[in-house]
Amino acid sequence: KNEVEQSPQNLTAQEGEFITINCSYSVGISALHWLQQHPGGGIVSLFMLSSGKKKHGRLIATINIQEKHSSLHITASHPRDSAVYICALLSNFGNEKLTFGTGTRLTIIP
Amino acid sequence: EAQVTQNPRYLITVTGKKLTVTCSQNMNHEYMSWYRQDPGLGLRQIYYSMNVEVTDKGDVPEGYKVSRKEKRNFPLILESPSPNQTSLYFCASRALLGPSGANVLTFGAGSRLTVL
Repeated sequence: KNEVEQSPQNLTAQEGEFITINCSYSVGISALHWLQQHPGGGIVSLFMLSSGKKKHGRLIATINIQEKHSSLHITASHPRDSAVYICALLSNFGNEKLTFGTGTRLTIIP
Repeated sequence: EAQVTQNPRYLITVTGKKLTVTCSQNMNHEYMSWYRQDPGLGLRQIYYSMNVEVTDKGDVPEGYKVSRKEKRNFPLILESPSPNQTSLYFCASRALLGPSGANVLTFGAGSRLTVL
């Protein structure tokens, strides 16, 4: 079983819809990153969180450490949100090892 | 502008010809790391460094070397490249100290390497 699983793998939605992407993991972590990779390949870090909830514009990330689950939400989705979203686990062994999910490909249709 | 700069962005080389991919950051970040991205396998960590002269292996270090002689630079060295090292490589950095809001990763633009 993979240490980190993302769902769904692919998601297509209409512009304006509320989007939820999930990340479940099976190991202890110190924090979790959410990354966005655009079709051109560039990667942008959206959030790093170790508890609770963070919000930036239309993006909201939540994490429940006890349930080993994190979600990324996009409100009022827009075609420019089309990208691959990747969660990455930061090891809790005091080092900086990162384990990546396989990503969720999001397509927003105008 | 705060950024991570990788060079070269694209490279085609042949088996066994040593090459170095450079990575430089201008944010005084303690942490730097290299990743490779392959279809179906996603991103995997190669090596990382938590400060000058401190490096450690990630999940796929075989065939790679790194060094961290200065805080701003973290080159990735392929001593004898092989075709299975054909991949898209990313360097990233982040602050380990300071307010937690500053701790997100900053990625370079990526280096596409082809080994024939």
